[in-house]
Amino acid sequence: TQLLEQSPQFLSIQEGENLTVYCNSSSVFSSLQWYRQEPGEGPVLLVTVVTGGEVKKLKRLTFQFGDARKDSSLHITAAQPGDTGLYLCAVAFSGSARQLTFGSGTQLTVLP
Amino acid sequence: ETGVTQTPRHLVMGMTNKKSLKCEQHLGHNAMYWYKQSAKKPLELMFVYSLEERVENNSVPSRFSPECPNSSHLFLHLHTLQPEDSALYLCASSQGSGYEQYFGPGTRLTVT
Repeated sequence: TQLLEQSPQFLSIQEGENLTVYCNSSSVFSSLQWYRQEPGEGPVLLVTVVTGGEVKKLKRLTFQFGDARKDSSLHITAAQPGDTGLYLCAVAFSGSARQLTFGSGTQLTVLP
Repeated sequence: ETGVTQTPRHLVMGMTNKKSLKCEQHLGHNAMYWYKQSAKKPLELMFVYSLEERVENNSVPSRFSPECPNSSHLFLHLHTLQPEDSALYLCASSQGSGYEQYFGPGTRLTVT
């Protein structure tokens, strides 16, 4: 079983604060995606990382892929209520073409 | 319509009913997926359809039956479901060998 762990499970912060959430596994990923899911909707793809050590920025969101390609982090600067949602990471383990494994997610609430 | 659409958005059915979920993708993708999302559990891949393969998660009960008549349409036929099958059923699509998947809004299924 290839386990993908996300932490924290729940996070509630005030508007304007910074935060980091994590996605970890003991296995090596060929690629990793971050998604955000809002209530009553499907997940929306935010970013894909494929190279160890890669850093990508999407406005106030910074995504980092670990050097060994076993972990990733998502940092949000100056969080806003619109950032509220379930943040999911998903990985494609080597040899599992098209079959993504999802983490359980981090439920983020940003209070105004 | 754009992206991935799913109908119905909500469905309540008895354990003896037969119903079908429909998914349509307008992205020109060549692979489609069914996922189950239950509370406090990771997204569970149920079925994958692509030009090269059909993949079934062996843990999915036979009371779920997929149908993919062409690359744009995907159905999930349901019969004699159990209350524990109540969940959000998500459809997704992707293109080529890429792992990035685009999700529909889901069907919220309640089995009574």
